[in-house]
Amino acid sequence: KNEVEQSPQNLTAQEGEFITINCSYSVGISALHWLQQHPGGGIVSLFMLSSGKKKHGRLIATINIQEKHSSLHITASHPRDSAVYICAAQLANAGGTSYGKLTFGQGTILTVHP
Amino acid sequence: GAVVSQHPSWVICKSGTSVKIECRSLDFQATTMFWYRQFPKQSLMLMATSNEGSKATYEQGVEKDKFLINHASLTLSTLTVTSAHPEDSSFYICSARVGWLGGYLRFYEQYFGPGTRLTVT
Repeated sequence: KNEVEQSPQNLTAQEGEFITINCSYSVGISALHWLQQHPGGGIVSLFMLSSGKKKHGRLIATINIQEKHSSLHITASHPRDSAVYICAAQLANAGGTSYGKLTFGQGTILTVHP
Repeated sequence: GAVVSQHPSWVICKSGTSVKIECRSLDFQATTMFWYRQFPKQSLMLMATSNEGSKATYEQGVEKDKFLINHASLTLSTLTVTSAHPEDSSFYICSARVGWLGGYLRFYEQYFGPGTRLTVT
């Protein structure tokens, strides 16, 4: 079992729909990252979370540390949101300090149709 | 926000030649940079951690003599694929890390480069 699991692996939506991508992890973390990768390959860092919720435009990311679960929401989805969304856990060691290394989920391929 | 560049963005080379890929943090200093490799339809795989002024730390299974990493300054790390073979064809991505202290924890933000697509013929 991977240390970071995403669901769903593939997601198709109509323009305007509300989208949720889930990420569960089994390791101790100091932060969780949400990344976006477009077909050209370049990666954009969307959020880094250690607790609670963050919002940027139509994107919202939440994390529940006790449940080891994070979600990425996209409101009013648009075809330009079509991309691969990756969650990545920033590992923490037993002492609570972070090495900063990331463990990646397998990614969620999102396709938004007009 | 912080910007990380990579050069070249794509390269085609012949088998047996060496290729150098540069990763630069444009508006901040990064004591640590990471190099990742991504095969088609797969997630990123960490190859090595590059620390300024010291030897890189390679992940298990990554040949350090084949993938030479140099982190000569706080804004530049280079990855050289030596004696490249077709199986080295991949998408190579770097990230640069900045860190800060928050209470007892050290937090890190990572900024990713746009990637370099290497094709070895």
